Amino acid sequence: NAGVTQTPKFQVLKTGQSMTLQCAQDMNHEYMSWYRQDPGMGLRLIHYSVGAGITDQGEVPNGYNVSRSTTEDFPLRLLSAAPSQTSVYFCASSSDSPWNNEQFFGPGTRLTVL
Amino acid sequence: KQEVTQIPAALSVPEGENLVLNCSFTDSAIYNLQWFRQDPGKGLTSLLLIQSSQREQTSGRLNASLDKSSGRSTLYIAASQPGDSATYLCAVPDSNYQLIWGAGTKLIIKP
Repeated sequence: NAGVTQTPKFQVLKTGQSMTLQCAQDMNHEYMSWYRQDPGMGLRLIHYSVGAGITDQGEVPNGYNVSRSTTEDFPLRLLSAAPSQTSVYFCASSSDSPWNNEQFFGPGTRLTVL
Repeated sequence: KQEVTQIPAALSVPEGENLVLNCSFTDSAIYNLQWFRQDPGKGLTSLLLIQSSQREQTSGRLNASLDKSSGRSTLYIAASQPGDSATYLCAVPDSNYQLIWGAGTKLIIKP
């Protein structure tokens, strides 16, 4: 199993540009989530999904959209990039909610917005 | 609101020593606690998950304990090696599906 994969690994955007961060898992996990990691702020939840067709907002959802059309994929869309969205983005998955099961993380995407 | 604290923020020990990393949480009504390691510029690797009904979990040279009543978990690393150098993070899930994270302990094992 490849586990949780993320593409791209690095990305530089200009303010106002849009892009999609890709996340996929091959473990047939129902629960998937997106976090951002910032120095001094730790990891914060952006959006999560408990299964295909179901998504919900986390702590810091503004400026981001998600969809879950399949169990495997959970893309994160930046609608109009801002310098405040410069961060490292991690995708995670688990077979059940974080209340019950171990979370597995992808390698991350380092995003810089100029 | 749940808060997670990790002390110390950094730790440097000689190779071969046994060491303990600490994680404290303010709300003892947790579902579980998970320990991760993060290497510089890399993702998060899950080390151990302790369910709220468990007292400890072991994986190789790692042993994690959980004391809900005191709001503490420890990660014990036996016979430390330079390859153990990384940042270690603990996290607990809250009622909103989110993991609440400690700030991490940066561990350096000196050869």
